Amino acid sequence: QQPVQSPQAVILREGEDAVINCSSSKALYSVHWYRQKHGEAPVFLMILLKGGEQKGHEKISASFNEKKQQSSLYLTASQLSYSGTYFCGTDNGGYNKLIFGAGTRLAVHP
Amino acid sequence: DVKVTQSSRYLVKRTGEKVFLECVQDMDHENMFWYRQDPGLGLRLIYFSYDVKMKEKGDIPEGYSVSREKKERFSLILESASTNQTSMYLCASSLSPTVISSYEQYFGPGTRLTVT
Repeated sequence: QQPVQSPQAVILREGEDAVINCSSSKALYSVHWYRQKHGEAPVFLMILLKGGEQKGHEKISASFNEKKQQSSLYLTASQLSYSGTYFCGTDNGGYNKLIFGAGTRLAVHP
Repeated sequence: DVKVTQSSRYLVKRTGEKVFLECVQDMDHENMFWYRQDPGLGLRLIYFSYDVKMKEKGDIPEGYSVSREKKERFSLILESASTNQTSMYLCASSLSPTVISSYEQYFGPGTRLTVT
């Protein structure tokens, strides 16, 4: 079952904040976040693990609520370079087999 | 830097043709994946492999097969291409299927396949 991402799209001005949510109907082993810029391959941002261990990216953080089977990605003081489509990938059983959400398109304007 | 390369950026094939998409990674990764990406649907896993000659079905394996004869190479095969297989195909690799700290997937540039 594909995780549900919200919102589908968001438009920001430089310096504004955004939150992208990812919700699964299944128990999660880990949640992964990727960003894909237009015409490019997806790039890993971070992984959140059951039990709280987290690997992060520079100015982007995330949370993982295991009970609610949800994760949120926080982008603060957005920059033009944050523009792209953000995907969450959920791992229900380990082994890095991910089910990706449909993506959230983020556009940051000057 | 990890490099994942795919044999073609653009490919046009006719309905019924057998199509081979090749993916090569240069970092001795154990895991390799094939996804297709369609607008509004995100990335959907077709097949993955956690070792040479090992393969596992993903979420949408119908109409596809894979081959992994060498650790660095993972091929996606469309046995008889159909128009509904027109899509962007992305290959990815990751270091290990069991070590969580190595779960980062590295993606290739993609192959845009058009079946006419």
